[in-house]
Amino acid sequence: GQQLNQSPQSMFIQEGEDVSMNCTSSSIFNTWLWYKQDPGEGPVLLIALYKAGELTSNGRLTAQFGITRKDSFLNISASIPSDVGIYFCAGQIKAAGNKLTFGGGTRVLVKP
Amino acid sequence: DGGITQSPKYLFRKEGQNVTLSCEQNLNHDAMYWYRQDPGQGLRLIYYSQIVNDFQKGDIAEGYSVSREKKESFPLTVTSAQKNPTAFYLCASTRGAGGRTGELFFGEGSRLTVL
Repeated sequence: GQQLNQSPQSMFIQEGEDVSMNCTSSSIFNTWLWYKQDPGEGPVLLIALYKAGELTSNGRLTAQFGITRKDSFLNISASIPSDVGIYFCAGQIKAAGNKLTFGGGTRVLVKP
Repeated sequence: DGGITQSPKYLFRKEGQNVTLSCEQNLNHDAMYWYRQDPGQGLRLIYYSQIVNDFQKGDIAEGYSVSREKKESFPLTVTSAQKNPTAFYLCASTRGAGGRTGELFFGEGSRLTVL
């Protein structure tokens, strides 16, 4: 089946920093989505992308649908402590019945 | 308030026992899903249902069963046949229409521990 490779697996942030994470695949996707999961809770949808090249913002978050349709990026600007959590990318392929495939997640932690 | 309610939040089970996890939504969503999450890993699809009285196996359905008798409810039974059931289980729903089927609403999860 389709696989999504998400990187980095984990990262430390310092308040005020900009951070980036990405998701890549060998398959072409029709939709890319980014979710955030706080500890002990269910994921919450942050951004959904539906067109190749699309750049969408949600507050300090910006995500892009890669032009090749095989990747997506999420940027967090001016990070704050509540940005801590696990960020998941997810993709859909129409030809696969719109089944949602999740990446392994990027764990964002605060620098001690 | 509209949302998805999962219960119980924590559950302990002895080996060989079946347990049922509850998932109820009042969002009037057509499609509902069950995912399993293991530490440090992404979400894996167990079962999904797009309409009442119909459901399909996901990627890891072995050892699990579901029912969809009402639109609002999609309970998951973890049977004794599931070899490694200790995990965090997440229920989700989506309206399932208009091309935005990936926009899932998740419950808060149920953590199952087998003793």
